[in-house]
Amino acid sequence: GAVVSQHPSWVICKSGTSVKIECRSLDFQATTMFWYRQFPKQSLMLMATSNEGSKATYEQGVEKDKFLINHASLTLSTLTVTSAHPEDSSFYICSAANREASVETQYFGPGTRLLVL
Amino acid sequence: LAKTTQPISMDSYEGQEVNITCSHNNIATNDYITWYQQFPSQGPRFIIQGYKTKVTNEVASLFIPADRKSSTLSLPRVSLSDTAVYYCLVGDNRWSGGYQKVTFGTGTKLQVIP
Repeated sequence: GAVVSQHPSWVICKSGTSVKIECRSLDFQATTMFWYRQFPKQSLMLMATSNEGSKATYEQGVEKDKFLINHASLTLSTLTVTSAHPEDSSFYICSAANREASVETQYFGPGTRLLVL
Repeated sequence: LAKTTQPISMDSYEGQEVNITCSHNNIATNDYITWYQQFPSQGPRFIIQGYKTKVTNEVASLFIPADRKSSTLSLPRVSLSDTAVYYCLVGDNRWSGGYQKVTFGTGTKLQVIP
């Protein structure tokens, strides 16, 4: 149980194009999902918190107009990198909070590798 | 958000028990402790979660002292496939209408040696 999927697993695009990444909780409903970015040999950095039916909350320094987040349902959140540039190349990971009894636990997707040429 | 401190790296031989300790001196009353494992180019995988005393599952044990200012992840009889980065996270995981965000620390890079 508690499986989170991401699609695509990797993407290569030209500079200036937009890329959409999907995050799905496959066997549970998630009111809250998170988006992280991870650069090589570094830890995960939280980009934004996504709540179903409301606007995402972005961390300081993350451009909300560049990284568009839509949490359309309790099982799907999408991250769109608009007008991508080479510096946006990174490993993007989503997570979903699964409620078990009175405690919630984050479960992570497999990640999406983005390379912007 | 409680800050966590872990050793940057550890080495262990195959078959040994490995204990990774995480310090979280400013842990709050409602905070839980969660450990994740991450392999290169993969998302973190949930290992174990606890609030106090000892928690055990099929892959690991988590020891939390009474003051909760630290915790120790214990991996029994590690194998080469346990080589990974291990993260300790501290945060309020109670269901209260919205999950509280957590901050990833640097993690501990465990290298298992044949």
